[in-house]
Amino acid sequence: GAVVSQHPSWVICKSGTSVKIECRSLDFQATTMFWYRQFPKQSLMLMATSNEGSKATYEQGVEKDKFLINHASLTLSTLTVTSAHPEDSSFYICSATRGSTDTQYFGPGTRLTVL
Amino acid sequence: GENVEQHPSTLSVQEGDSAVIKCTYSDSASNYFPWYKQELGKRPQLIIDIRSNVGEKKDQRIAVTLNKTAKHFSLHITETQPEDSAVYFCAASMGAAGNKLTFGGGTRVLVKP
Repeated sequence: GAVVSQHPSWVICKSGTSVKIECRSLDFQATTMFWYRQFPKQSLMLMATSNEGSKATYEQGVEKDKFLINHASLTLSTLTVTSAHPEDSSFYICSATRGSTDTQYFGPGTRLTVL
Repeated sequence: GENVEQHPSTLSVQEGDSAVIKCTYSDSASNYFPWYKQELGKRPQLIIDIRSNVGEKKDQRIAVTLNKTAKHFSLHITETQPEDSAVYFCAASMGAAGNKLTFGGGTRVLVKP
C-alpha cells in the first residue's frame, strides 16, 4: 500500500511554455502533498506544501505565480511550471501523507528539461 | 527555519566494512528524523526513522542514533554490500512525520567489492 505516482516521468519543452506535472496517491487519501525540486547531485529542496481544498504554502524564494499548485482532491495534486526557462530544468518529486502522524510517501519523480 | 548539515558528502568503503553518516540539525523543536536512500534517477526510499523519544533504533544491518542534547543523529550501516551504494539523505521534521521535511545535503556512498 501507500503508492504515489507521477505523470509524466519525463518531459522536454521549449522555453516559454508551461508544463503540468501530476502527483497521485493511488491507494490512499492524501490530506497533504509536498513538492520538491532536486538539481543534479544536490539534495531535495521543498518548494511547497499542498493541502486538499486550500491554497498551497510556498517556501521562501519559490515564486507562487511561476509554480502553480492545485490540490483539488484527496488523491491528486498538480504542479504547473509556467513560462518555463532552462534554469527550471530539474527533477521534480512529490510526496503524499495521510496525516501529520503518517510518513511521507514519495512519487517516482518527473525530469523536466527546458530547451 | 530548520537547517540540516550532513557529513561526509562522499564515503567509500570496502564491502563488509561499516559506514557511518552524521547529521546535525539546528532547531530543537524537530522531533522526527528519517533517513532516505536514493538511487540515481529514482525516488527517495525511507530506510529507517527515529523519533525524539528514542535514542537508538535498529533494523537488521541499519541503525540510527539520536542525541537530542547535541542535536545530531547518525546512520550506521554494518556489513556493507555493493547494493548499499547510493546517495543517502537525512532529514528533520517538526511535529510529526507528515510535516514538512528539511533534508541534509546527501552522502554518496560507494561500496567497493
